[in-house]
Amino acid sequence: EDQVTQSPEALRLQEGESSSLNCSYTVSGLRGLFWYRQDPGKGPEFLFTLYSAGEEKEKERLKATLTKKESFLHITAPKPEDSATYLCAVQAKSGGYQKVTFGTGTKLQVIP
Amino acid sequence: ETGVTQTPRHLVMGMTNKKSLKCEQHLGHNAMYWYKQSAKKPLELMFVYNFKEQTENNSVPSRFSPECPNSSHLFLHLHTLQPEDSALYLCASSPADRITYNEQFFGPGTRLTVL
Repeated sequence: EDQVTQSPEALRLQEGESSSLNCSYTVSGLRGLFWYRQDPGKGPEFLFTLYSAGEEKEKERLKATLTKKESFLHITAPKPEDSATYLCAVQAKSGGYQKVTFGTGTKLQVIP
Repeated sequence: ETGVTQTPRHLVMGMTNKKSLKCEQHLGHNAMYWYKQSAKKPLELMFVYNFKEQTENNSVPSRFSPECPNSSHLFLHLHTLQPEDSALYLCASSPADRITYNEQFFGPGTRLTVL
């Protein structure tokens, strides 16, 4: 069974204080790993897809990296508007093309 | 309207009621999904429709009944629900091609409370 574990559960940062969120996964053959951002009262918003170990993707202050066992979402010099819950999800090669397994998320709060 | 819309945004129902949740996507996608999001739990995939055909049903109780009349509309019919069914129900859509299938676009959700 595919599993996704995210840590920490919650993270509080001062504005400008860089940090990383972790997503550990167990899957029988990774097809893709996804990062989403979810604001309160809204649905998740797609951020990145990573397909293979060593791959990196960037978007503004966010950078996602992937190894064979985990992914990191690095946040550089965060701003209050980066406050949200960040969700990680994986898709196995053995599953259907639209079937993904989500983690419980990391709730990030950036203090001005 | 743009993106994925869901109605109603909030719903309170008794255990004997029958109600329906509606989802509409304006993105030209061919795949649509229903997810359940409960506090402290990961998103749970409930149903997947590909070109109006149901391709995934994750052992969802029969009191939840999906309907997909076309690639733009998705319904979730609810009847005789239990209090533990209270959650945020999210609809999503994605292109059905294998290159961008994973970029799922979510609606804002329907907050369901079962009394």
